[in-house]
Amino acid sequence: DAGVTQSPTHLIKTRGQQVTLRCSPKSGHDTVSWYQQALGQGPQFIFQYYEEEERQRGNFPDRFSGHQYPNYSSELNVNALLLGDSALYLCASSQSGGEETQYFGPGTRLLVL
Amino acid sequence: QQQVKQSPQSLIVQKGGISIINCAYENTAFDYFPWYQQFPGKGPALLIAIRPDVSEKKEGRFTISFNKSAKQFSLHIMDSQPGDSATYFCAASIYNNNDMRFGAGTRLTVKP
Repeated sequence: DAGVTQSPTHLIKTRGQQVTLRCSPKSGHDTVSWYQQALGQGPQFIFQYYEEEERQRGNFPDRFSGHQYPNYSSELNVNALLLGDSALYLCASSQSGGEETQYFGPGTRLLVL
Repeated sequence: QQQVKQSPQSLIVQKGGISIINCAYENTAFDYFPWYQQFPGKGPALLIAIRPDVSEKKEGRFTISFNKSAKQFSLHIMDSQPGDSATYFCAASIYNNNDMRFGAGTRLTVKP
């Protein structure tokens, strides 16, 4: 049973560029949440997708957007990259209506130069 | 956005000792309190979680103690092992509301 998978593992971009990160949830999960983890910090909630819609959003600007597909996989898009966007981006999946424990993927390390 | 305060930032324990990490929260609506373990280059992995209807939960060497009136909870790792060396995060959320708030993390080192 595959856990949460994310791609790519590492990414280097320059300021102003756009980036797309991908996530496949754990088998049986229908809800995907995205988090940003700066170096030495705890993860910060970006948003959550359920039934292909953004269900909840943290304190992140509109440059951060997402999408969920019918197979529950999800994308995180960040436009107009800033140096401060450099972080580990984590995807977590959960099953709605159940315990809703979140299981995290290994993350995508984004470096903005 | 941080509503969960975690201490200490770092902790060094001898093998076989007890590791204790503390967290305090502000939002009384929180009703789900998980602890995650994170190794370098990996995503956080759920260790143990508690709801406020119990004051303690134990799973193997890991115990969560919960004090609702003080709005505090802690993780105790008994018989700490070098393999427990990792960063530990406490978190809190409102059930069915997955805007999970994390503490800043505690870097645990267990010396052999």
